[in-house]
Amino acid sequence: KNQVEQSPQSLIILEGKNCTLQCNYTVSPFSNLRWYKQDTGRGPVSLTIMTFSENTKSNGRYTATLDADTKQSSLHITASQLSDSASYICVVSARLTSNTGKLIFGQGTTLQVKP
Amino acid sequence: GAVVSQHPSRVICKSGTSVKIECRSLDFQATTMFWYRQFPKQSLMLMATSNEGSKATYEQGVEKDKFLINHASLTLSTLTVTSAHPEDSSFYICSASNPRPSGRSYEQYFGPGTRLTVT
Repeated sequence: KNQVEQSPQSLIILEGKNCTLQCNYTVSPFSNLRWYKQDTGRGPVSLTIMTFSENTKSNGRYTATLDADTKQSSLHITASQLSDSASYICVVSARLTSNTGKLIFGQGTTLQVKP
Repeated sequence: GAVVSQHPSRVICKSGTSVKIECRSLDFQATTMFWYRQFPKQSLMLMATSNEGSKATYEQGVEKDKFLINHASLTLSTLTVTSAHPEDSSFYICSASNPRPSGRSYEQYFGPGTRLTVT
């Protein structure tokens, strides 16, 4: 069964601190892994997308890693800001055809950054 | 970047009535659009996948006669919740994609969501 599990479920950190969110998956056949940020009452916004051959990808203060062997990914947020408070969703795409896939969503990690 | 819009952003309707939600890709042609539902503190749940010009494919457990999906053009898909009931109250999110050539990852762009409240 295709599954994506995230940890922790929620996290509170102080502004300026770093944090790391975890994602474990059992999805086959694997196509790619994405991290999205979802503000309350808004749609998800893509942060990074990584294919099988990519180990790390950065987008500003966000750095995602992927270990395809252990089927684990992490999202590291550096120098957190109050605006980083949101839900972070790990999404793995299961390949359906050569250029289409089905997205498997994790439950998300709710991050709260306090001043 | 690619932009997907939804209208309305919020809607309140009475039980038994129908409500239509529009999803538009503003600056690209979306061959495939997806409709999701999200309940509080839960992740997105795929309801259906629609390809332009063909019937939508519904996920198991989603009533096709209750959630009517139309994808008449490459930039517009609509979701109509028919005979809405309070349990249909949820956050509905659409996404759109334009698959890239074989072997390359395709991107899926999400709309801002529509908050439906059925009273």
